Amino acid sequence: DSGVTQTPKHLITATGQRVTLRCSPRSGDLSVYWYQQSLDQGLQFLIQYYNGEERAKGNILERFSAQQFPDLHSELNLSSLELGDSALYFCASSAGQGDFYEQYFGPGTRLTVT
Amino acid sequence: QQQVKQSPQSLIVQKGGISIINCAYENTAFDYFPWYQQFPGKGPALLIAIRPDVSEKKEGRFTISFNKSAKQFSLHIMDSQPGDSATYFCAASWPGNTGKLIFGQGTTLQVKP
Repeated sequence: DSGVTQTPKHLITATGQRVTLRCSPRSGDLSVYWYQQSLDQGLQFLIQYYNGEERAKGNILERFSAQQFPDLHSELNLSSLELGDSALYFCASSAGQGDFYEQYFGPGTRLTVT
Repeated sequence: QQQVKQSPQSLIVQKGGISIINCAYENTAFDYFPWYQQFPGKGPALLIAIRPDVSEKKEGRFTISFNKSAKQFSLHIMDSQPGDSATYFCAASWPGNTGKLIFGQGTTLQVKP
């Protein structure tokens, strides 16, 4: 168990809908990362927050947004969902920012868009 | 474009054998190269990592070999065990204070008893 929790574990929704994925980092970790894992694209970095501020962005679609709250938990919002958004979404956390700090991954949220 | 290319896509090894997974990268600015191990239904977990100023790093049965001039690095699993059966991802980290990781496509390893 990495200490990172993600809810929900599974999510099934229809095209055009909006969902929110939640991540609680390990106790004391200030950085949160979001990744998308799909069969065709592999594991892709979406966005990183450090202590409430956005620090790095990857190939995150404009329909997707995220934030990190004062209690350090993070939410990834996915809107106008398309079939191609079906994937595993992982959250990771680290104590600081930069590769000196190991990233600990949560168990993921499996999103199915029908 | 794919900045980190990983091969093979899948690998079957007999128990006690050596598993070798290779990765190649394009951007010479990458400055940190971790390997992650992922079991079904779990998130990836850091296995071992190396920086480009070192040519080899060993931790137990796991070794990373790094060739900076060729822009390649590989994971060697010695004395492979059935419990090593998992998906392995190589990755590269962008320089700068973010920890942003670019992952390879993954290799599914099966170790037969």
